[in-house]
Amino acid sequence: GDSVTQMEGPVTLSEEAFLTINCTYTATGYPSLFWYVQYPGEGLQLLLKATKADDKGSNKGFEATYRKETTSFHLEKGSVQVSDSAVYFCALRVGGQNFVFGPGTRLSVLP
Amino acid sequence: DTGVSQDPRHKITKRGQNVTFRCDPISEHNRLYWYRQTLGQGPEFLTYFQNEAQLEKSRLLSDRFSAERPKGSFSTLEIQRTEQGDSAMYLCASSFYGELGNQPQHFGDGTRLSIL
Repeated sequence: GDSVTQMEGPVTLSEEAFLTINCTYTATGYPSLFWYVQYPGEGLQLLLKATKADDKGSNKGFEATYRKETTSFHLEKGSVQVSDSAVYFCALRVGGQNFVFGPGTRLSVLP
Repeated sequence: DTGVSQDPRHKITKRGQNVTFRCDPISEHNRLYWYRQTLGQGPEFLTYFQNEAQLEKSRLLSDRFSAERPKGSFSTLEIQRTEQGDSAMYLCASSFYGELGNQPQHFGDGTRLSIL
């Protein structure tokens, strides 16, 4: 079946550090890929998405590139801020079906 | 604010009781989803509706769980005879499905269920 694997957290960084959160997937079809973010006490918010190979999704300084050859969708940000502290979920969707989420990676950014 | 709203935000109940949660989706969205999220895990799909029709149910949705969307707008999720293992965050999401396919889902803040 379809699945998403993310690097284990928590990830702790200092402000302005470079962030990478790895995400790899297995899918029976050709998935769309997503990153969602969940701030403390809030619901999930769509951060960025990519719908086909080599597409780059970007938002709020975060980027992720759909790599079909390595079945990956790693999240990156050049300079993190304290306000980026949250849990980040990688997810896939095949066709019009529901999402399959990864387990989430907690990011803590220290001032 | 016209986002997805869920009620209540928190529910504490004794084992064996029935509970019902409500979700109001974004008004122009025709699809509505329910997920369950346990601590330290990503959301797990439970069921979804397109308009009033329930199109898919996960094997996670035991016979104690029932969801409805009677008029194709708000939805309710009922859990009967609650068990300790039902303690989780229950998330609702909505999306628009049309000619361009399924647009991204927008999530509510969830209902946190605690079973004593």
